[in-house]
Amino acid sequence: AQSVTQPDIHITVSEGASLELRCNYSYGATPYLFWYVQSPGQGLQLLLKYFSGDTLVQGIKGFEAEFKRSQSSFNLRKPSVHWSDAAEYFCAVVLNYGGSQGNLIFGKGTKLSVKP
Amino acid sequence: ETGVTQTPRHLVMGMTNKKSLKCEQHLGHNAMYWYKQSAKKPLELMFVYSLEERVENNSVPSRFSPECPNSSHLFLHLHTLQPEDSALYLCASSPAQGSEQYFGPGTRLTVT
Repeated sequence: AQSVTQPDIHITVSEGASLELRCNYSYGATPYLFWYVQSPGQGLQLLLKYFSGDTLVQGIKGFEAEFKRSQSSFNLRKPSVHWSDAAEYFCAVVLNYGGSQGNLIFGKGTKLSVKP
Repeated sequence: ETGVTQTPRHLVMGMTNKKSLKCEQHLGHNAMYWYKQSAKKPLELMFVYSLEERVENNSVPSRFSPECPNSSHLFLHLHTLQPEDSALYLCASSPAQGSEQYFGPGTRLTVT
């Protein structure tokens, strides 16, 4: 079955440290890939998306993600974390962009805590 | 107002009440979605509307009834809910079904 895996349920990093959140997917072909962020009690905000082309994608709030086909991964990174980045992060994929079969499939999320 | 809005933001209702959740998108999108987000569970897709037609209903109990009167508005009518229905209900819209989705802030529902 098609799936999205975020192996880390909870990560804690120090403010100013670098961050990498992992995401792996299982599909035969390259899906379309997204990262979302959710602050407590809020909706999900789109951070970035990958459709094709350059495998390093820049997003909002200083985040970037790299698509690695050989590893079926789309990891999210930030060079220096700010306390306001504490939130839950969701990786999502869609197999058929813009098509009737295509709904987003979400990972279970990674909760990020930032310590001063 | 821009983006996706949801009202009310918080709702407490008894098991015998009838209430409705409202979602409005100001993005000119053609698809709209309802999700349920419970504590410690992944996001659950409930309903999908594309061009105002329901295209997906993921085995959701009949006590949840969606309505999409036009491409900008989506409702979720609730009746005879159970305590386990307490959750954050999220609405989203997208340019087309299967493209990136934009979410509203959610309605926190508590069933007593």
